[in-house]
Amino acid sequence: SQKIEQNSEALNIQEGKTATLTCNYTNYSPAYLQWYRQDPGRGPVFLLLIRENEKEKRKERLKVTFDTTLKQSLFHITASQPADSATYLCALEHGGYQKVTFGTGTKLQVIP
Amino acid sequence: ETGVTQTPRHLVMGMTNKKSLKCEQHLGHNAMYWYKQSAKKPLELMFVYSLEERVENNSVPSRFSPECPNSSHLFLHLHTLQPEDSALYLCASSQGTGTGEPGELFFGEGSRLTVL
Repeated sequence: SQKIEQNSEALNIQEGKTATLTCNYTNYSPAYLQWYRQDPGRGPVFLLLIRENEKEKRKERLKVTFDTTLKQSLFHITASQPADSATYLCALEHGGYQKVTFGTGTKLQVIP
Repeated sequence: ETGVTQTPRHLVMGMTNKKSLKCEQHLGHNAMYWYKQSAKKPLELMFVYSLEERVENNSVPSRFSPECPNSSHLFLHLHTLQPEDSALYLCASSQGTGTGEPGELFFGEGSRLTVL
């Protein structure tokens, strides 16, 4: 069956450290993968998109890697800040026609 | 107004009621989506409209009925819902080309639905 799994439901890290979140998938062949941030009671907000032929993408303190052999994406936040505390979702496009499926999310807490 | 706007933000309804959720996007996008988000579960894709045609219906019960009258508006009509349908319903839009590459999704703030 198809699955998108994010490494842990919750992750606590110290301010200033690098947070690393994992997204693993099975039985998908996505053309690309996306990461979103969701704050409580709000809709998700797009952060980064990485295509299957790209290994790495960066945006300010964010970095995403995509390994289609391992079927895994890693999402890094460097120099983390308490304001980075939120739930982070990975999402895959698959099956054409704009079908985007989301993982369960990882709730990140950055401790001052 | 900009972005994706959903109304109402909160809705409480009985199981025999009929209500509708509304979504409006001001981004010039041509694809719109309904997602359901329940506690401890991932976002569930319910419906996708591309160029006002429904292109995806993820085995959603018929008590949920979508309507897309034009590329800027999307409705979710609700009829004889169950308490387990209580959830956050999120609308999103994207600049889909119809060739299977939606790009990023822009979400509204959601409609929190409680079914009594």
